[in-house]
Amino acid sequence: AQSVTQLDSHVSVSEGTPVLLRCNYSSSYSPSLFWYVQHPNKGLQLLLKYTSAATLVKGINGFEAEFKKSETSFHLTKPSAHMSDAAEYFCVVTSTGFQKLVFGTGTRLLVSP
Amino acid sequence: DTEVTQTPKHLVMGMTNKKSLKCEQHMGHRAMYWYKQKAKKPPELMFVYSYEKLSINESVPSRFSPECPNSSLLNLHLHALQPEDSALYLCASSPEAGSNEQFFGPGTRLTVL
Repeated sequence: AQSVTQLDSHVSVSEGTPVLLRCNYSSSYSPSLFWYVQHPNKGLQLLLKYTSAATLVKGINGFEAEFKKSETSFHLTKPSAHMSDAAEYFCVVTSTGFQKLVFGTGTRLLVSP
Repeated sequence: DTEVTQTPKHLVMGMTNKKSLKCEQHMGHRAMYWYKQKAKKPPELMFVYSYEKLSINESVPSRFSPECPNSSLLNLHLHALQPEDSALYLCASSPEAGSNEQFFGPGTRLTVL
C-alpha cells in the first residue's frame, strides 16, 4: 500500500529564512506525489505535483520540491519564508488505481517576524 | 470557472435534525469526493462519485447519505448525527476518478449539538 510520512509535526522559521518540510513516501510503483497547503479554517490548495516528469517541481508562491527515488523523498522547500506561509502542509500520494489520495499527517509551519 | 464551491460555510444542527451540505463545480469534472476532517488531522475520504455513480464508500455510517443529482452537483444529506461528527467537511473534484489532481472546496464547518 502507498503511504507518506511527514517527518515533522511542526516547523518554526523566521521570516526571510529558508523553509524545509520533509516527506518520505512508500509506493510499490512510480507514484504521483503532491503537496497541499491549508490555511486556518480553509480548504486545501495544491502547491505542486510530481507525475514522473521532471524530478524538480516548481509550484506556486515560490515553493518547490525534488523527487528523489533513491531516498524515497519528496521534500518541500522555499528559499525565503513569508508570514503568509504560516499554514498546515500535507504531503500526499495517490493510491493504487489513483482514485484515492493518501495523506500524510501534516506539518504545521510557523513563521515568526 | 475553476473553483469548487460549498454551502453553507457553517452549520449547527441538533442530533435529531436533517440537513444537507451542497457542493458544486463547473469545470466539467466527472469525479467528485466528500472528505471529513477533524481538527489537527488530515482529511479522511468518505465517498467517491464517478460519472454520477457512487464508486467508493469508505464504510461511512448510514446517517451520512451522499447524492449526485448531476455532473456538477454533489450533496451530503445528514440525519441523526452525533456530536463526534462535528468536523470540517470538504468536497473535491477531479477530471476523472483516476486523475492525479483533486481540486478542493473551502469546506463546511459542521457542529452537532
